[in-house]
Amino acid sequence: DTEVTQTPKHLVMGMTNKKSLKCEQHMGHRAMYWYKQKAKKPPELMFVYSYEKLSINESVPSRFSPECPNSSLLNLHLHALQPEDSALYLCASSQGRLAGGANVLTFGAGSRLTVL
Amino acid sequence: AQSVTQLGSHVSVSEGALVLLRCNYSSSVPPYLFWYVQYPNQGLQLLLKYTTGATLVKGINGFEAEFKKSETSFHLTKPSAHMSDAAEYFCAVSDRGNKLVFGAGTILRVKS
Repeated sequence: DTEVTQTPKHLVMGMTNKKSLKCEQHMGHRAMYWYKQKAKKPPELMFVYSYEKLSINESVPSRFSPECPNSSLLNLHLHALQPEDSALYLCASSQGRLAGGANVLTFGAGSRLTVL
Repeated sequence: AQSVTQLGSHVSVSEGALVLLRCNYSSSVPPYLFWYVQYPNQGLQLLLKYTTGATLVKGINGFEAEFKKSETSFHLTKPSAHMSDAAEYFCAVSDRGNKLVFGAGTILRVKS
């Protein structure tokens, strides 16, 4: 299994809603990532989990809350979002820096979020 | 901090022509460099990577890239474009940790 699976593929939510994005991988990877990609822009790093611990938070607003319940799962909890948060949210995984060598990321297909 | 600059937000080539997508990097340490491709409404797929060793790197779908330290470049080429190559291409650099930084992207259009 060489895939990263993201659900849902599409999500529409109001500014007062609470929702979650989910990401799963079964490649034995120990690092997992959330990226945000606005239209016609490159992906921007939000969070990195390494060995289930949050290792990088790129000054993301607290209305985005990541969670890594175990080495295969990564969630992104969403609360009180703004319309400008509408974007494609990409999850990725990699063997992790401690594995040595190039840290190659495998990406999921993304969850397209629309905030009304 | 690492960064990459992709020259040309849009590149248009005829089917069968050479594809050349340009990428220059900035890094304070020997970098790891990557090219990813993104088809519409999809995630990113790794085309090729440079870590150490051979400076000419071959990837999937007939693409290759050459690491030139003296020019701080990592340009992507393909001898003969195919219609299926139409997509957005991202150059990326890693600091050998867990942080991957992407360039702005180049949209490749292939004309029949």
